[in-house]
Amino acid sequence: EPEVTQTPSHQVTQMGQEVILRCVPISNHLYFYWYRQILGQKVEFLVSFYNNEISEKSEIFDDQFSVERPDGSNFTLKIRSTKLEDSAMYFCASRPGQGTGANVLTFGAGSRLTVL
Amino acid sequence: AQSVTQPDIHITVSEGASLELRCNYSYGATPYLFWYVQSPGQGLQLLLKYFSGDTLVQGIKGFEAEFKRSQSSFNLRKPSVHWSDAAEYFCAVGARDNQGGKLIFGQGTELSVKP
Repeated sequence: EPEVTQTPSHQVTQMGQEVILRCVPISNHLYFYWYRQILGQKVEFLVSFYNNEISEKSEIFDDQFSVERPDGSNFTLKIRSTKLEDSAMYFCASRPGQGTGANVLTFGAGSRLTVL
Repeated sequence: AQSVTQPDIHITVSEGASLELRCNYSYGATPYLFWYVQSPGQGLQLLLKYFSGDTLVQGIKGFEAEFKRSQSSFNLRKPSVHWSDAAEYFCAVGARDNQGGKLIFGQGTELSVKP
């Protein structure tokens, strides 16, 4: 069964460093998302991406965050200067946007980010 | 404000017993409704969804959920729990005009299964 792949599974970084989290969505999907879950809290929407541009972003997704689909297969989340409060599990998701399961998100296993 | 509430943070049931996980939502209109499950080290796996039609929906692994508009609820049920069902369960809603892509999640219910 097709799946969304995320790397790394766990990254430890120092405060102020840049981090890039990578995702390979399912190949025929058109809509891409990043969510995060701070330990003990709810899974929260960060950003959605369609047709090579951000379609919606939450108030969490400030200027420190950016997303990119550099090569037609990868979908990345960059945090420019990490803060302690960025420590969380980050989930990538994608959906087809048409046909069977058009509106159903498939999630990756997550990337755990620890900021020291 | 839009929100999803899962009142039970942690539930323990005996293997073979029935299970009901509660989910209530606050939303402007009837949203798309989802239940996801997360096992340790795994991603969020879709159990079932409600878009329209029959309010009792069947999912994978023997789970079902019932949408009750009058109660703004979408409770998840399973008649007989297996030890492998131990995991965290998340209820989520998405706007129909957003095609369900931006989801609002509940805080999750952790299920433990006693032998």
